[in-house]
Amino acid sequence: DIVMTQSPDSLAVSLGERATINCKSSQSVLYSSNNKNYLAWYQQKPGQPPKVLIYWASTRESGVPDRFSGSGSGTDFTLTISSLQAEDVAVYYCQQYYSTPLLTFGGGTKVEIK
Amino acid sequence: EVQLVESGGGLVQPGGSLRLSCAASGFTFSSYSMNWVRQAPGKGLEWLSYISGSSIAIYYADSVKGRFTISRDNAKNSLYLQMNSLRDEDTAVYYCARDGASYYDSPYFFDYWGQGTLVTVSS
Repeated sequence: DIVMTQSPDSLAVSLGERATINCKSSQSVLYSSNNKNYLAWYQQKPGQPPKVLIYWASTRESGVPDRFSGSGSGTDFTLTISSLQAEDVAVYYCQQYYSTPLLTFGGGTKVEIK
Repeated sequence: EVQLVESGGGLVQPGGSLRLSCAASGFTFSSYSMNWVRQAPGKGLEWLSYISGSSIAIYYADSVKGRFTISRDNAKNSLYLQMNSLRDEDTAVYYCARDGASYYDSPYFFDYWGQGTLVTVSS
């Protein structure tokens, strides 16, 4: 199975500042035939189900604010919140679908306000 | 508006069975692949099972293979998860989730999720 490792486990960021979450896969999730990275990012607020933010590593889901962006390729990926808002307090998960049907998630990163 | 509403959770003894349902609305259910994902209390997410729109393709995580069975009834816009031989470690919130890339016959990512139903396995 592909193991997804997120860092840090948690971070506290001031309102309006940048938040950066890292995700590393144990093997590449870049499919060479289509040059796509098979990686998604989710946001889960307390008491709510997860919500997809980003897929194909950098494609923002419709309706997701543009302060959220995904980058990276191969084994190293980043979710960036360019200007943290109060409503962004949540746990964020990365998920690979390269080894479909064996999908795996990262352990999550909790984002709080400093 | 896409809506997914799970039901059927509850308290069950180890070794027991439970059947979860997910009622879908707001989209053409038969055109979309569906998944079950769970989250143990205070823990992360675990994909469990996938079924394609026509039920031709079905997959399971190793942790539930042979114990859980996914199915769907497109006429009723409903997804199901039959859970047998339940263990303490199956205690979790169970979510149904629509596949965001249903043009493939394999699970990819999840674009809509239900609110979840809690399953507690305990004696």
